[in-house]
Amino acid sequence: EAGVTQFPSHSVIEKGQTVTLRCDPISGHDNLYWYRRVMGKEIKFLLHFVKESKQDESGMPNNRFLAERTGGTYSTLKVQPAELEDSGVYFCASSHPTGTSGRRRETQYFGPGTRLLVL
Amino acid sequence: LAKTTQPISMDSYEGQEVNITCSHNNIATNDYITWYQQFPSQGPRFIIQGYKTKVTNEVASLFIPADRKSSTLSLPRVSLSDTAVYYCLVGDMGTGGFKTIFGAGTRLFVKA
Repeated sequence: EAGVTQFPSHSVIEKGQTVTLRCDPISGHDNLYWYRRVMGKEIKFLLHFVKESKQDESGMPNNRFLAERTGGTYSTLKVQPAELEDSGVYFCASSHPTGTSGRRRETQYFGPGTRLLVL
Repeated sequence: LAKTTQPISMDSYEGQEVNITCSHNNIATNDYITWYQQFPSQGPRFIIQGYKTKVTNEVASLFIPADRKSSTLSLPRVSLSDTAVYYCLVGDMGTGGFKTIFGAGTRLFVKA
C-alpha cells in the first residue's frame, strides 16, 4: 500500500511569490490533515478535511493560506503571497477512523513533508 | 484539549530497554493515546496506540495505568537507528477526526 506522498519535497521562493504544495493521501482515507512546523517550534495543526469538506481550519494562520481538496482525493495548500515567516516544514497526514461512536480510534499516517524556504 | 508532558531528551546505549513516560492529566474519556516516532527530514511515523492497560506490537509496548493520566512507551533493546524524536499524543475528538496536538517530544539518543 502506497503511503502519503507530498510534492515538492523542497521549495525555495522569494517573498511575495506563490507556492502550491500538494498532498496525496492513502487511497480510501477520508480524513486529510495539514500540519506545519516552523524552525524551532512544535508541529502545529493547520486544517482538517473530511473528504472534500473542510472540517476544521482553526489552525490556518491567515488568509494568505488556501487549502483545497476537490473531489475528496488529493489536496493542495497554496500560500499567496508568501512571507518570510511561512518558512518551515509542511506535513500532510491521512486517516480512516475505526470504531463505534463514543470511542473512535484513528491512526494518522504522515507524509515526508515539504520544506519551504521563503527568502 | 488534553496537553501532554514528556522528558525533553534521554540517552541510552544499544541493547538497553528504554522507557519514555508521558503525562496527560486532562485526558478525556474517549481519547486514545498514540505515540509517533520522527527521524530528521521525515514525517512522524506511527508506533503504537492504546486506550488502557497494555498494548504490544512488533516495535514497542505501551503501558497505561488505570487512571490513564500517564502512559509509558517501552522500546526493547534499542539500536542506533532508534535515535529519533518520540511524540506522545492524545486525540482531540473533533467531529470526524482528530486534531492532533503535538508537544515538543522526547529526543532519544542511542549510543554505541
